[in-house]
Amino acid sequence: EAQVTQNPRYLITVTGKKLTVTCSQNMNHEYMSWYRQDPGLGLRQIYYSMNVEVTDKGDVPEGYKVSRKEKRNFPLILESPSPNQTSLYFCASSSTGYEPKLFFGSGTQLSVL
Amino acid sequence: KQEVTQIPAALSVPEGENLVLNCSFTDSAIYNLQWFRQDPGKGLTSLLLIQSSQREQTSGRLNASLDKSSGRSTLYIAASQPGDSATYLCAVRHSGGYNKLIFGAGTRLAVHP
Repeated sequence: EAQVTQNPRYLITVTGKKLTVTCSQNMNHEYMSWYRQDPGLGLRQIYYSMNVEVTDKGDVPEGYKVSRKEKRNFPLILESPSPNQTSLYFCASSSTGYEPKLFFGSGTQLSVL
Repeated sequence: KQEVTQIPAALSVPEGENLVLNCSFTDSAIYNLQWFRQDPGKGLTSLLLIQSSQREQTSGRLNASLDKSSGRSTLYIAASQPGDSATYLCAVRHSGGYNKLIFGAGTRLAVHP
């Protein structure tokens, strides 16, 4: 089954404790992206990647890092989480063809205390 | 800067009604527009994707239209059912920034029996 898998589903942590949210897709997609969703603000893009070793900033990259060492994986790293990073995070992927339909993971609800 | 607005923010209708959700965007230089559905606690599911050269797309009881010149898209849901209750989001992919999707904040739809 074609899917984007995120882990963990829920995460509670404390300020400053490094964490990684994993994302994996099985559709051989070139494009992968991370979003955060906050009430009233919709989804905002954090980082995206067009292919292995090719990443770039989205609209709200501060406080986040990503890497793309393999085509299927695109982890999101918070080196020193802060309470304003409490949010619902989504990973997404798509091909880069004519109709690049975006597929989303189920989300990671992060709370930083 | 591209901005995407969805009106209304919330909508409650009785089962069987036909309804229209609206999405407007400020910059008409878009590559495509996509409508998503989001169920509580879940990720986004792609409903329809309209390329900039297209005027509409249909899938079952759903019909999405695009008017680039006026910066508007509508999602028409025919004969609504309680199972249609969800949040509906639109997102535009800008021509100049292919890699970025700009999302609206969504319309929360409740269809009651």
